[in-house]
Amino acid sequence: DSGVTQTPKHLITATGQRVTLRCSPRSGDLSVYWYQQSLDQGLQFLIQYYNGEERAKGNILERFSAQQFPDLHSELNLSSLELGDSALYFCASSVGKGGYTFGSGTRLTVV
Amino acid sequence: TQLLEQSPQFLSIQEGENLTVYCNSSSVFSSLQWYRQEPGEGPVLLVTVVTGGEVKKLKRLTFQFGDARKDSSLHITAAQPGDTGLYLCAGGPGAGSYQLTFGKGTKLSVIP
Repeated sequence: DSGVTQTPKHLITATGQRVTLRCSPRSGDLSVYWYQQSLDQGLQFLIQYYNGEERAKGNILERFSAQQFPDLHSELNLSSLELGDSALYFCASSVGKGGYTFGSGTRLTVV
Repeated sequence: TQLLEQSPQFLSIQEGENLTVYCNSSSVFSSLQWYRQEPGEGPVLLVTVVTGGEVKKLKRLTFQFGDARKDSSLHITAAQPGDTGLYLCAGGPGAGSYQLTFGKGTKLSVIP
Protein backbone atom coordinates (compact mmCIF):
# COMPACT_ATOMS: atom_id res chain seq x y z
CA ASP A 1 0.00 0.00 0.00
CA SER A 2 1.61 3.25 -1.20
CA GLY A 3 -0.57 5.41 1.02
CA VAL A 4 -2.33 7.01 -1.97
CA THR A 5 -5.82 5.62 -2.44
CA GLN A 6 -7.68 5.77 -5.71
CA THR A 7 -11.25 4.70 -6.35
CA PRO A 8 -12.73 3.07 -8.26
CA LYS A 9 -10.09 0.69 -9.61
CA HIS A 10 -12.07 -0.06 -12.75
CA LEU A 11 -14.78 1.91 -14.51
CA ILE A 12 -16.69 1.04 -17.65
CA THR A 13 -19.03 3.63 -19.08
CA ALA A 14 -20.64 4.69 -22.32
CA THR A 15 -19.68 7.54 -24.62
CA GLY A 16 -21.20 10.85 -23.63
CA GLN A 17 -21.35 9.98 -19.95
CA ARG A 18 -19.68 11.68 -17.00
CA VAL A 19 -17.55 10.01 -14.32
CA THR A 20 -15.74 11.07 -11.17
CA LEU A 21 -12.44 9.60 -10.05
CA ARG A 22 -11.37 10.00 -6.45
CA CYS A 23 -7.96 10.24 -4.83
CA SER A 24 -6.85 10.43 -1.20
CA PRO A 25 -3.23 11.53 -0.93
CA ARG A 26 -0.63 10.11 1.42
CA SER A 27 -0.94 11.53 4.92
CA GLY A 28 0.90 14.83 5.17
CA ASP A 29 1.24 15.40 1.42
CA LEU A 30 -0.28 18.68 0.28
CA SER A 31 0.22 18.28 -3.47
CA VAL A 32 -1.95 16.09 -5.65
CA TYR A 33 -1.20 15.42 -9.30
CA TRP A 34 -3.37 13.75 -11.92
CA TYR A 35 -1.83 11.88 -14.84
CA GLN A 36 -3.33 10.00 -17.77
CA GLN A 37 -1.48 6.96 -19.07
CA SER A 38 -2.16 5.47 -22.48
CA LEU A 39 -0.12 2.99 -24.48
CA ASP A 40 0.96 5.45 -27.14
CA GLN A 41 1.34 8.63 -25.10
CA GLY A 42 2.80 7.41 -21.84
CA LEU A 43 2.15 9.35 -18.65
CA GLN A 44 0.68 12.75 -19.47
CA PHE A 45 0.37 15.41 -16.78
CA LEU A 46 -3.16 16.73 -16.41
CA ILE A 47 -3.32 18.99 -13.39
CA GLN A 48 -1.81 19.71 -9.97
CA TYR A 49 -3.41 20.98 -6.77
CA TYR A 50 -1.57 22.22 -3.73
CA ASN A 51 -3.42 22.62 -0.43
CA GLY A 52 -6.73 23.15 -2.16
CA GLU A 53 -5.57 25.47 -4.92
CA GLU A 54 -4.84 24.73 -8.55
CA ARG A 55 -1.07 25.02 -9.05
CA ALA A 56 -0.37 23.86 -12.59
CA LYS A 57 -2.24 22.68 -15.66
CA GLY A 58 -0.99 20.33 -18.31
CA ASN A 59 -2.70 18.75 -21.28
CA ILE A 60 -6.10 18.66 -19.64
CA LEU A 61 -9.12 18.82 -21.93
CA GLU A 62 -11.88 21.34 -21.29
CA ARG A 63 -14.24 18.40 -20.73
CA PHE A 64 -12.13 17.44 -17.72
CA SER A 65 -11.99 19.26 -14.41
CA ALA A 66 -10.62 18.62 -10.95
CA GLN A 67 -10.71 19.98 -7.45
CA GLN A 68 -9.04 19.41 -4.11
CA PHE A 69 -11.14 19.56 -0.98
CA PRO A 70 -10.26 20.91 2.50
CA ASP A 71 -9.44 17.38 3.68
CA LEU A 72 -6.96 17.27 0.74
CA HIS A 73 -8.67 14.50 -1.19
CA SER A 74 -9.10 15.26 -4.86
CA GLU A 75 -11.60 14.40 -7.55
CA LEU A 76 -11.13 14.33 -11.31
CA ASN A 77 -14.32 14.80 -13.28
CA LEU A 78 -14.46 13.59 -16.88
CA SER A 79 -17.51 14.53 -18.95
CA SER A 80 -18.86 13.97 -22.46
CA LEU A 81 -16.64 10.92 -22.58
CA GLU A 82 -15.21 9.71 -25.86
CA LEU A 83 -13.67 6.39 -26.81
CA GLY A 84 -10.26 8.04 -26.83
CA ASP A 85 -10.56 8.88 -23.15
CA SER A 86 -10.10 5.22 -22.29
CA ALA A 87 -6.87 5.06 -20.31
CA LEU A 88 -5.35 4.59 -16.90
CA TYR A 89 -5.73 7.62 -14.67
CA PHE A 90 -3.22 8.00 -11.88
CA CYS A 91 -3.17 10.24 -8.90
CA ALA A 92 0.11 11.00 -7.14
CA SER A 93 0.98 13.03 -4.09
CA SER A 94 4.18 14.58 -2.87
CA VAL A 95 5.74 16.75 -0.24
CA GLY A 96 7.44 19.72 -1.84
CA LYS A 97 9.76 18.79 -4.70
CA GLY A 98 10.33 15.22 -3.60
CA GLY A 99 9.43 12.13 -5.54
CA TYR A 100 5.86 11.22 -6.23
CA THR A 101 3.90 8.50 -4.51
CA PHE A 102 1.41 7.08 -6.97
CA GLY A 103 -1.88 5.37 -6.35
CA SER A 104 -2.81 2.14 -8.13
CA GLY A 105 -4.81 4.00 -10.73
CA THR A 106 -8.29 3.87 -12.19
CA ARG A 107 -8.70 2.01 -15.46
CA LEU A 108 -11.39 3.80 -17.45
CA THR A 109 -12.97 2.05 -20.39
CA VAL A 110 -15.37 4.02 -22.57
CA VAL A 111 -17.57 1.85 -24.79
CA THR B 1 7.86 21.78 -23.71
CA GLN B 2 10.40 19.51 -22.08
CA LEU B 3 10.59 16.04 -23.63
CA LEU B 4 12.32 12.91 -22.40
CA GLU B 5 13.27 10.16 -24.86
CA GLN B 6 13.83 6.70 -23.46
CA SER B 7 15.64 3.91 -25.23
CA PRO B 8 15.29 1.16 -25.97
CA GLN B 9 11.50 1.03 -25.95
CA PHE B 10 11.51 -2.74 -25.38
CA LEU B 11 14.22 -5.00 -24.02
CA SER B 12 14.09 -8.77 -23.55
CA ILE B 13 17.09 -10.43 -21.96
CA GLN B 14 18.08 -13.66 -20.24
CA GLU B 15 18.44 -13.88 -16.49
CA GLY B 16 21.98 -13.00 -15.43
CA GLU B 17 22.68 -10.56 -18.27
CA ASN B 18 23.55 -6.91 -17.78
CA LEU B 19 21.63 -4.06 -19.40
CA THR B 20 21.54 -0.30 -19.67
CA VAL B 21 18.58 1.91 -20.49
CA TYR B 22 18.83 5.54 -21.41
CA CYS B 23 16.87 8.72 -20.86
CA ASN B 24 17.75 11.74 -22.99
CA SER B 25 16.52 15.27 -23.40
CA SER B 26 17.55 18.53 -25.02
CA SER B 27 16.39 20.31 -21.86
CA VAL B 28 18.15 20.73 -18.55
CA PHE B 29 16.36 19.29 -15.55
CA SER B 30 16.78 20.23 -11.92
CA SER B 31 16.43 16.58 -11.00
CA LEU B 32 15.87 13.22 -12.63
CA GLN B 33 13.85 10.42 -11.14
CA TRP B 34 13.52 6.78 -12.10
CA TYR B 35 10.37 4.79 -11.46
CA ARG B 36 9.43 1.16 -12.00
CA GLN B 37 5.88 0.20 -12.86
CA GLU B 38 4.33 -3.25 -12.83
CA PRO B 39 1.12 -4.14 -14.68
CA GLY B 40 -1.97 -2.90 -12.91
CA GLU B 41 -0.02 -0.76 -10.48
CA GLY B 42 1.22 2.80 -10.24
CA PRO B 43 4.88 3.71 -10.77
CA VAL B 44 7.13 3.31 -7.74
CA LEU B 45 10.02 5.69 -7.16
CA LEU B 46 13.45 4.04 -7.33
CA VAL B 47 15.83 6.98 -7.08
CA THR B 48 16.25 10.72 -7.47
CA VAL B 49 19.45 12.27 -8.82
CA VAL B 50 19.97 16.01 -8.59
CA THR B 51 23.63 16.82 -9.25
CA GLY B 52 25.26 16.66 -12.67
CA GLY B 53 27.52 13.60 -12.81
CA GLU B 54 25.89 12.03 -9.77
CA VAL B 55 25.93 8.24 -9.51
CA LYS B 56 23.63 6.33 -7.16
CA LYS B 57 23.54 2.61 -6.52
CA LEU B 58 20.58 0.60 -5.34
CA LYS B 59 21.70 -3.04 -4.97
CA ARG B 60 22.19 -4.23 -8.58
CA LEU B 61 20.88 -0.97 -10.08
CA THR B 62 23.22 1.93 -10.89
CA PHE B 63 21.79 5.31 -11.85
CA GLN B 64 23.76 8.14 -13.38
CA PHE B 65 22.82 11.75 -14.09
CA GLY B 66 24.65 13.36 -16.98
CA ASP B 67 27.11 16.18 -16.32
CA ALA B 68 24.87 18.66 -18.13
CA ARG B 69 21.74 17.34 -16.36
CA LYS B 70 20.08 16.53 -19.69
CA ASP B 71 20.38 12.75 -19.65
CA SER B 72 20.48 9.77 -17.36
CA SER B 73 21.11 6.05 -17.50
CA LEU B 74 20.05 3.03 -15.52
CA HIS B 75 22.33 0.00 -15.49
CA ILE B 76 21.18 -3.34 -14.10
CA THR B 77 23.77 -5.98 -13.28
CA ALA B 78 22.86 -9.68 -13.40
CA ALA B 79 19.21 -9.09 -14.19
CA GLN B 80 16.62 -11.24 -12.45
CA PRO B 81 13.02 -12.06 -13.42
CA GLY B 82 11.87 -9.82 -10.58
CA ASP B 83 13.38 -6.85 -12.45
CA THR B 84 10.73 -7.23 -15.15
CA GLY B 85 8.62 -4.11 -15.53
CA LEU B 86 8.29 -0.71 -17.16
CA TYR B 87 11.10 1.67 -16.25
CA LEU B 88 10.20 5.33 -16.45
CA CYS B 89 12.43 8.36 -16.15
CA ALA B 90 10.96 11.67 -15.09
CA GLY B 91 12.51 15.09 -15.21
CA GLY B 92 11.88 18.21 -13.22
CA PRO B 93 10.57 20.02 -11.54
CA GLY B 94 11.39 23.30 -13.13
CA ALA B 95 11.51 26.65 -11.38
CA GLY B 96 8.14 27.39 -9.82
CA SER B 97 6.71 24.05 -10.84
CA TYR B 98 6.54 20.73 -9.08
CA GLN B 99 5.20 18.72 -12.02
CA LEU B 100 7.28 15.94 -13.52
CA THR B 101 7.71 15.22 -17.22
CA PHE B 102 7.81 11.49 -17.90
CA GLY B 103 9.42 9.54 -20.70
CA LYS B 104 7.39 6.80 -22.35
CA GLY B 105 9.42 4.12 -20.64
CA THR B 106 11.47 1.03 -21.36
CA LYS B 107 9.60 -2.23 -21.04
CA LEU B 108 12.01 -4.83 -19.66
CA SER B 109 11.41 -8.56 -19.71
CA VAL B 110 13.90 -10.82 -17.96
CA ILE B 111 13.51 -14.42 -19.03
CA PRO B 112 14.39 -17.12 -16.49
